[in-house]
Amino acid sequence: QVQLQQSGPGLVKPSQTLSLTCVISGDNVSSSSSAWNWVRQSPSRGLEWLGRTYHRSKWYTDYADIVKDRISVNPDTSKNQFSLQLISVTPEDTAVYFCARKITVSGKGVFDSWGQGILVTVSS
Amino acid sequence: DVQLTQSPSSLSASVGDTVTITCRASQNINNFLNWYQQKPGKAPKILIYGASSLQDGVPSRFSGSGYGTDFTLTISSLQPEDFASYYCQHTYTTFYTFGQGTKLEIK
Repeated sequence: QVQLQQSGPGLVKPSQTLSLTCVISGDNVSSSSSAWNWVRQSPSRGLEWLGRTYHRSKWYTDYADIVKDRISVNPDTSKNQFSLQLISVTPEDTAVYFCARKITVSGKGVFDSWGQGILVTVSS
Repeated sequence: DVQLTQSPSSLSASVGDTVTITCRASQNINNFLNWYQQKPGKAPKILIYGASSLQDGVPSRFSGSGYGTDFTLTISSLQPEDFASYYCQHTYTTFYTFGQGTKLEIK
């Protein structure tokens, strides 16, 4: 059974960098059949997919347009985890952040495992 | 980007009722549509993938249908544990989006 355990600060100052980590157990960040995603949720914006990383003979990343100039999602194979960095944050980035695994079932993408979520507040 | 519009945004029902939630896509997404259930303080949980396939372990009172742009989630014989929020999500393109959610409350 796959488990994702998130960690990181719950409070970030405006203009600083939000950094979160997601530790994977029961799967491998380098798996050729999984992709590793970050999703956030706020009352005003709902659920938003932010970005992903995955390995298919080499590493790939994809980012949502809303954050593409500020986001970085990186794997760490030595610790079997992946991370989110979001630079130049504003109060609009206040949200609960989730990491999630995407697999393919019968040709369809499924977010089947999720971290517990971390509330990150952007405030001075 | 594909936009998903869910309706209704909230719904009141009683234990034993049957309810239907709809999700409309802004363009054809074939059957690349998932449904999730979320309870307060928890992560979303996959219920239905590929518009109509039931995830392992999910009760058969949950069902999904649709293709192209119009999709539905039906919950038959509501149980107390079903009162939660429900979200659709597409995986037709890389830039996955979610519907804005439907909160199912006890009448």
